[in-house]
Amino acid sequence: QVQLQESGPGLVKPSQTLSLTCTVSGGSINSGDYYWSWIRQHPGKGLEWIGYIYYTGSSYYNPSLKSRVTISEDTSKNQFSLKLSSVTAADTAVYYCARDQRGGLGWFDPWGQGTLVTVSS
Amino acid sequence: DIQMTQSPSSLSASVGDRVTITCRASQSISAYLNWYQQKPGKAPKLLIYDASSLQSGVPSRFSGSGSGTDFTLTISSLQPEDFATYYCQQSYRTPRTFGQGTKVEIK
Repeated sequence: QVQLQESGPGLVKPSQTLSLTCTVSGGSINSGDYYWSWIRQHPGKGLEWIGYIYYTGSSYYNPSLKSRVTISEDTSKNQFSLKLSSVTAADTAVYYCARDQRGGLGWFDPWGQGTLVTVSS
Repeated sequence: DIQMTQSPSSLSASVGDRVTITCRASQSISAYLNWYQQKPGKAPKLLIYDASSLQSGVPSRFSGSGSGTDFTLTISSLQPEDFATYYCQQSYRTPRTFGQGTKVEIK
């Protein structure tokens, strides 16, 4: 069964770029059957969809973050990545990667375990 | 963006109780509504998709219903492992949005 695992720095300084990678095992991101998303959860708060990527390299972002987000993929490593620029304390959150159903307009299943990123100097 | 509002924000219940959580969308979303369970320190887990379809492996005590703007998640007989926070999510229009969550606590 498909499993996802996030990795990357847990601490990022304000104004810098947050960079995370999601490694997919048990399935190929190149299959074309699914989209691949990033979602975040501010401490003690709800969930916010950040954006997705498809194996063709096409991506789509939440308009609220679009100016600062880039999602890319490395199909040779079966990974996809998130970059969020010009971070502030408001970007402190647990970041999840997830498989995205129904052409990028469906439900998320499964999810990675999540990784906490703190923005602080 | 479509706003999703859950009620209540929290509830206390006993093992064996029937529990109902409501999710309301700010506009009609047909049946494009999904439910997740999240336990502390864990990622959300999909329970129900398309308002009423039970995800494989999820116990049958979980059920979902509704269409348009009003939806419910029902746990027919609450079990100890069901104490968690539950979120709804619309998949009708991008950006997909989530409710604020309903925390189910032990009475």
